[in-house]
Amino acid sequence: NAGVTQTPKFQVLKTGQSMTLQCAQDMNHEYMSWYRQDPGMGLRLIHYSVGAGITDQGEVPNGYNVSRSTTEDFPLRLLSAAPSQTSVYFCASSRTAIQGPTGELFFGEGSRLTVL
Amino acid sequence: AQSVTQPDIHITVSEGASLELRCNYSYGATPYLFWYVQSPGQGLQLLLKYFSGDTLVQGIKGFEAEFKRSQSSFNLRKPSVHWSDAAEYFCAVGLSGTYKYIFGTGTRLKVLA
Repeated sequence: NAGVTQTPKFQVLKTGQSMTLQCAQDMNHEYMSWYRQDPGMGLRLIHYSVGAGITDQGEVPNGYNVSRSTTEDFPLRLLSAAPSQTSVYFCASSRTAIQGPTGELFFGEGSRLTVL
Repeated sequence: AQSVTQPDIHITVSEGASLELRCNYSYGATPYLFWYVQSPGQGLQLLLKYFSGDTLVQGIKGFEAEFKRSQSSFNLRKPSVHWSDAAEYFCAVGLSGTYKYIFGTGTRLKVLA
């Protein structure tokens, strides 16, 4: 059972370059999300999705785009990377319910991004 | 604004000693509460969760947590720590009626042999 799979695990970019972090889950979860983890700041929500074709912004969405064309995949795009986007990125998924988050989040192993 | 506070950035305990990690939250409605553990280089794994009912919840690896509404707290405890418990621990709140979770800044646990 693969769970949540993120690629790549490590990436180095130059300022202004673009890239996509991939996230796939095989648990048929409707809810998927992206977090960034920075020292002393915990995890901050970037974007999330509650189903195919439905996305919304989290706490720190600027500089990132997402789309959700299938239940399984939720890629995160950096259009023009900046040094401030140096971080560890986590994808997480969960089942959803009408009243909001009711299940645990299942996390990928993370993608460490460095922007020079 | 909603927030989660973990006042201890680092905690060091001896193997076999008891452990309590503190978590306080600020949220107007009844929260969904979680504790996650992160080993170095890994993603987060759920230790336990509280949604409703008994305010003392049991989790994996011998951990438990108690929800105290009057103190807006959800402290994590373990009676006897093992060296393998060394990791970073995150408290999180799920905001009812939304699809958002708020995480604390984490507590890094070091275990002395």
